[in-house]
Amino acid sequence: GQQLNQSPQSMFIQEGEDVSMNCTSSSIFNTWLWYKQDPGEGPVLLIALYKAGELTSNGRLTAQFGITRKDSFLNISASIPSDVGIYFCAGQRPLIYGGSQGNLIFGKGTKLSVKP
Amino acid sequence: NAGVTQTPKFRVLKTGQSMTLLCAQDMNHEYMYWYRQDPGMGLRLIHYSVGEGTTAKGEVPDGYNVSRLKKQNFLLGLESAAPSQTSVYFCASSGLNLAALPVTQYFGPGTRLTVL
Repeated sequence: GQQLNQSPQSMFIQEGEDVSMNCTSSSIFNTWLWYKQDPGEGPVLLIALYKAGELTSNGRLTAQFGITRKDSFLNISASIPSDVGIYFCAGQRPLIYGGSQGNLIFGKGTKLSVKP
Repeated sequence: NAGVTQTPKFRVLKTGQSMTLLCAQDMNHEYMYWYRQDPGMGLRLIHYSVGEGTTAKGEVPDGYNVSRLKKQNFLLGLESAAPSQTSVYFCASSGLNLAALPVTQYFGPGTRLTVL
């Protein structure tokens, strides 16, 4: 099936560090979304991107929709302890490229933990 | 405004038993979705609905049935539970933009199901 390659799978952060993660695919997407999931909770939407090249910020979070429409990245600046959790990218394929209307394809997640 | 709610939060079943998971949303969203989340697998779409009275198969539909008799509710049924269906189940919903296309998905808190 269609896949999103999300990296890194996991990373350790120290408070104050900047964090970067990305998603890539061999297929084109017309929407990219970034979600965060805390333990025992459902994913919560962080940022939505609808146009190639779009750069959007939400507080300390910045995400970009790649120009090729095949990738997206998420940056977190000056990380704080509550940033720990699992971050998921999700993409929606255009209908003309075989996407199902409304359906998202999810990456496998990037787990952020605090450095011991 | 509760958003997306799911009942129950936890359930333990024996192999062969049946059960129904209930999802409710109060945002008047057209689209609703059921996902399962397994360790290292991200979120995988089971079934979805583009409106009251309609349902469609997602990526992993086998062993599950769904119904959307009312716009605000989306039910997921397991007729004969199997240990492979042990997972965390998430419901999501999305509204439509001005072009009548689905926009971002909002998730419920999840149901943790164990099949012995």
